[in-house]
Amino acid sequence: LAKTTQPISMDSYEGQEVNITCSHNNIATNDYITWYQQFPSQGPRFIIQGYKTKVTNEVASLFIPADRKSSTLSLPRVSLSDTAVYYCLVLPYNNDMRFGAGTRLTVKP
Amino acid sequence: SAVISQKPSRDICQRGTSLTIQCQVDSQVTMMFWYRQQPGQSLTLIATANQGSEATYESGFVIDKFPISRPNLTFSTLTVSNMSPEDSSIYLCSVSRGGTEAFFGQGTRLTVV
Repeated sequence: LAKTTQPISMDSYEGQEVNITCSHNNIATNDYITWYQQFPSQGPRFIIQGYKTKVTNEVASLFIPADRKSSTLSLPRVSLSDTAVYYCLVLPYNNDMRFGAGTRLTVKP
Repeated sequence: SAVISQKPSRDICQRGTSLTIQCQVDSQVTMMFWYRQQPGQSLTLIATANQGSEATYESGFVIDKFPISRPNLTFSTLTVSNMSPEDSSIYLCSVSRGGTEAFFGQGTRLTVV
């Protein structure tokens, strides 16, 4: 499985756009990029998945450059409730999900 | 989506005893996973429990310590055997119908004293 690297922590303020970048230099052709969000005392929750270019849903956008060696999760206009740990996973379909360290996002008022 | 009920939500156990954690899903799923998460840390995959086959354990986890049952497509159990304080952690059940989207239970917070 491709190794991922993302910042350990990030701080932001309410109303700002937050971009979390994940590096995955050894991504394979059949790998997908998936992001999860975890609040304290809860299990992770799927946010978004992509293979290339840009994907957008009601929660976030995922930007993937042509070489796919990195990806950026974009959270528009964050609120205090977006404070959580965000995990980037790179894996093929139907594979065991192994989580890296994640990025701890703190949104301040 | 899938709704997962995990029991117990928390427990305090004596060292040397065993605890069985149950994971019930509201619909049939092929892939089930068990994770351990220490406070403030990421999730560590313990094993994959697909119905119809023996559980597959990750390096560092063995069946004698963490026996898993998967009797049908909606239920699984993880037993933490002969517990020690080092087993104190949050244990999470997860399911997937394929792809890269998984659904997680709320977890079982285990404290071994």
